[in-house]
Amino acid sequence: QQQVKQSPQSLIVQKGGISIINCAYENTAFDYFPWYQQFPGKGPALLIAIRPDVSEKKEGRFTISFNKSAKQFSLHIMDSQPGDSATYFCAASKEGSQGNLIFGKGTKLSVKP
Amino acid sequence: DAGVIQSPRHEVTEMGQEVTLRCKPISGHNSLFWYRQTMMRGLELLIYFNNNVPIDDSGMPEDRFSAKMPNASFSTLKIQPSEPRDSAVYFCATRGTGELFFGEGSRLTVL
Repeated sequence: QQQVKQSPQSLIVQKGGISIINCAYENTAFDYFPWYQQFPGKGPALLIAIRPDVSEKKEGRFTISFNKSAKQFSLHIMDSQPGDSATYFCAASKEGSQGNLIFGKGTKLSVKP
Repeated sequence: DAGVIQSPRHEVTEMGQEVTLRCKPISGHNSLFWYRQTMMRGLELLIYFNNNVPIDDSGMPEDRFSAKMPNASFSTLKIQPSEPRDSAVYFCATRGTGELFFGEGSRLTVL
């Protein structure tokens, strides 16, 4: 059973555009929702994370929007740049950041110059 | 700190051979995780250790897979015998009190 569903599988965006990646979860006990960024040949690295007590978190050009009632959260990348081209994974866990992360299957983002 | 160090970075072997992947965690991190990444299944948690003790190995696919953490500075993931379907990138990740840090992975190809 896939507990975190991520879409789309791949995304092509023009430089300067907005990239949007969506995730849905099933387990209402999840209380920590991070996004990871992975470049080719590298391991995933934490990009930004949110807890369900807030509906939005912004760090620079990256924003997480969280909808608790719909059990959905999304990553928005504003003013997308070619350097943002990477694979993005959403994840969820119980017990906050100390819980085991359940990952979505990833979205490969390509930002065209 | 050098981060999570994995070796080898690439391994090509033939079906039936034993494969050992190694991980050196970040100093002071007391939780260590082994993940497998494939196109079809994404990132799957295989096993994790807390203070060198295996806590949950329910993700280990079968008895051919085993993992050890003899001390706080070293862990191994062993596959014996290896099969072509084991071809994947294997990641080690460690955590102290904060976020999870991943190594750069070991790409395994079983012919």
